[in-house]
Amino acid sequence: DAGITQSPRHKVTETGTPVTLRCHQTENHRYMYWYRQDPGHGLRLIHYSYGVKDTDKGEVSDGYSVSRSKTEDFLLTLESATSSQTSVYFCAISDGGTPTDTQYFGPGTRLTVL
Amino acid sequence: GQSLEQPSEVTAVEGAIVQINCTYQTSGFYGLSWYQQHDGGAPTFLSYNALDGLEETGRFSSFLSRSDSYGYLLLQELQMKDSASYFCAVSWGSASKIIFGSGTRLSIRP
Repeated sequence: DAGITQSPRHKVTETGTPVTLRCHQTENHRYMYWYRQDPGHGLRLIHYSYGVKDTDKGEVSDGYSVSRSKTEDFLLTLESATSSQTSVYFCAISDGGTPTDTQYFGPGTRLTVL
Repeated sequence: GQSLEQPSEVTAVEGAIVQINCTYQTSGFYGLSWYQQHDGGAPTFLSYNALDGLEETGRFSSFLSRSDSYGYLLLQELQMKDSASYFCAVSWGSASKIIFGSGTRLSIRP
């Protein structure tokens, strides 16, 4: 299994508070991704990174920001959490960045915003 | 934009064969992937088709027809452990961006 960890694994927070989720990899893969998964929607890309300090938006990026200061860490921040951001968040990594490259997923973080 | 359609639920019998279909509409199409996800777990890669035809990996096969914007995942000799959600996904653009379908929940009866 690819070495990907996510922290925290579970978090409950209140509306309006900032939240940061961390993804850590030990594979030295160039590409990292943040997805959210909600019932009936599958996985939706929030943001992705194609290198240190190189990031871009996905299909559902509003309300989220990311940072990548080291190859191994990719942070997802909710500046002011809302109830609509209650979801399961998955981090994924990919080696070559071509469309044929497999994405390997972390174990997920379950976030509840009250 | 990109969109994918797959059935929300499929039920099959242990030992049988089941086919999960996926149709897509996308620009800049590179290929069709399939991922498996057990309840409470993370998605895991099953297969990828870039060209038309059938790809076989053990009990699982995946098919793609680019002209029909259609693909399917075929699971043979079903086992109870195959009960899971299966997602088709389209690769497009750079940086291996992937758009996922909403998933098909496969339930297997003894």
